[in-house]
Amino acid sequence: DGGITQSPKYLFRKEGQNVTLSCEQNLNHDAMYWYRQDPGQGLRLIYYSQIVNDFQKGDIAEGYSVSREKKESFPLTVTSAQKNPTAFYLCASIGGTYTGELFFGEGSRLTVL
Amino acid sequence: EDQVTQSPEALRLQEGESSSLNCSYTVSGLRGLFWYRQDPGKGPEFLFTLYSAGEEKEKERLKATLTKKESFLHITAPKPEDSATYLCAVQVTDDYKLSFGAGTTVTVRA
Repeated sequence: DGGITQSPKYLFRKEGQNVTLSCEQNLNHDAMYWYRQDPGQGLRLIYYSQIVNDFQKGDIAEGYSVSREKKESFPLTVTSAQKNPTAFYLCASIGGTYTGELFFGEGSRLTVL
Repeated sequence: EDQVTQSPEALRLQEGESSSLNCSYTVSGLRGLFWYRQDPGKGPEFLFTLYSAGEEKEKERLKATLTKKESFLHITAPKPEDSATYLCAVQVTDDYKLSFGAGTTVTVRA
């Protein structure tokens, strides 16, 4: 079945370590997004990419990095520069026929110890 | 600055007790308003898109409406399986970036 796969689902990290979250989609979608969700707050956009080898910063890009070397993949690295990285991270994609329907993955919960 | 505000933050309903959720927005040039449902520990799931004031969309016990300043999600005769967090989002630019509200968490008791 088509969809978005995020891994790992749960991740623990020590302070000062970088960690990479995986996002893979088999929907043949052009655009992909990374959102961060914190309790009591709306989803906040970290980075997005509309085509391969191109991406743009969202509202809270500081301390994060991404790459888009393949259409199917959009990994997110949470660097040690991110001051408060504990959060629920969501990857999403959207197809060419735009209806506002973002397809989301199941999320990755990162906890910094 | 574009803002999306959802109210109430939480809503507890008895099974069969209809109610409405509100999403108010202050944006310049709305291109679309979207409703999503999110279950605990899961990614959001798309429900509706509304493009212009007066538009309505329905799906089972849910009905979304749109005015020039707000949207309502009406839940008619809810069941326990309607318990979830409902998110509202708006699009104001061409590049498919959505701005989300904080959500309303609905709990329906049997």
